[in-house]
Amino acid sequence: SSELTQPPSVSVSPGQTASITCSGDTLGTKHACWYQQKPGQSPVLVIFQNIQRPSGIPERFSGSKSGTTATLTISGTQAMDEADYYCQAWDSSPVVFGGGTKLTVL
Amino acid sequence: EVQLVESGGGLVKPGGSLRLSCAASGFSFSRFSMNWLRQAPGKGLEWVSFISSSGSDIYYADSVKGRFTISRDNGKNSLYLQMNSLRAEDTAVYYCARSELGGYVYWGQGTLVTVSS
Repeated sequence: SSELTQPPSVSVSPGQTASITCSGDTLGTKHACWYQQKPGQSPVLVIFQNIQRPSGIPERFSGSKSGTTATLTISGTQAMDEADYYCQAWDSSPVVFGGGTKLTVL
Repeated sequence: EVQLVESGGGLVKPGGSLRLSCAASGFSFSRFSMNWLRQAPGKGLEWVSFISSSGSDIYYADSVKGRFTISRDNGKNSLYLQMNSLRAEDTAVYYCARSELGGYVYWGQGTLVTVSS
């Protein structure tokens, strides 16, 4: 299957750790990327190749992958991290995105 | 500074056509593969099309195959998306994005395409 499944929503208290999962058969052979998107803005890449963080992305963002599930972890979550998060399996075609997870920082 | 600026969006009737453009600056455009992605109002991200740096490799999502055509002009540092036979479900913000690191680091600000009678 080329689908990626994410929980629709995740809630976290400020300062706590948020984890967002992304599951799909294609992740068994493909790298995962993660994007953060705030309302009215273009997506921002926060994790690539499962665990790598682009320059400028805070260290509190980390990624992992086990089998067919990738996980985005935000440690010490801040109010500014409230956003939609999308996973993506990298391939030339087709490129598959998860349905997105709305992270709420309560 | 890398910049991607989309243009060409607007209101079009079902069955109509539109051509989107993406002007690239701040990097060597001819060295990078490029993509179009879209996001319907209130919905998630959807990849639309890919074109390699030379234009020799092109891929489309099944949802647009046969209706959309991606192209590029490396001399003008520009990416294009010709959209024909537009449907209501094509209504979305369309983004151009540069391929690298196994993902998309640079995105444009997007251009809104609305398909409605």
